[in-house]
Amino acid sequence: AQRVTQPEKLLSVFKGAPVELKCNYSYSGSPELFWYVQYSRQRLQLLLRHISRESIKGFTADLNKGETSFHLKKPFAQEEDSAMYYCALNGGSTDKLIFGTGTRLQVFP
Amino acid sequence: DAMVIQNPRYQVTQFGKPVTLSCSQTLNHNVMYWYQQKSSQAPKLLFHYYDKDFNNEADTPDNFQSRRPNTSFCFLDIRSPGLGDAAMYLCATSPLASTDTQYFGPGTRLTVL
Repeated sequence: AQRVTQPEKLLSVFKGAPVELKCNYSYSGSPELFWYVQYSRQRLQLLLRHISRESIKGFTADLNKGETSFHLKKPFAQEEDSAMYYCALNGGSTDKLIFGTGTRLQVFP
Repeated sequence: DAMVIQNPRYQVTQFGKPVTLSCSQTLNHNVMYWYQQKSSQAPKLLFHYYDKDFNNEADTPDNFQSRRPNTSFCFLDIRSPGLGDAAMYLCATSPLASTDTQYFGPGTRLTVL
């Protein structure tokens, strides 16, 4: 079965500290993986996707098939990064995403 | 320039009283999705339309129905809301498939009294 696990409900850091939001997935094939973000009072929106291999707002995420992980990283957190982050998986020919339960990132000044 | 619009943003209904939530999009996307999200939980897909083709998730209760009269609009009908149906309902669209970016609406928060 396809599953996405985000082990941390809440991650609190100070401004300027490195951030890593963990995501592990369960899927036997080649997955498509995404990070979605929801800022306060805003809609859920795409942050990045692994096939793009890009850095958005200083965030990067590398797909590690051996560890079945897609952790989201940023070297220096900013206060405006405070939000809810969801990891999501599309694992095949279906048209649907499987979401993790989300991690709330709090960045303190 | 809202792209995915959901109305109303807040909906209060009574136990057992039918309710309809609406979603419209200006993106001309083929795929439209309805998700249910309860507090501290992941968004859970209820069903989606690929153009006019309706795809129901196996564990979506029969109490939930959907209509897509045209490309722009999609409706979620809850025939007999129970207390357990109180949640945020999210509509999303994507150009072709979920491997594309999904664009979400702001959600409708449903309260069942």
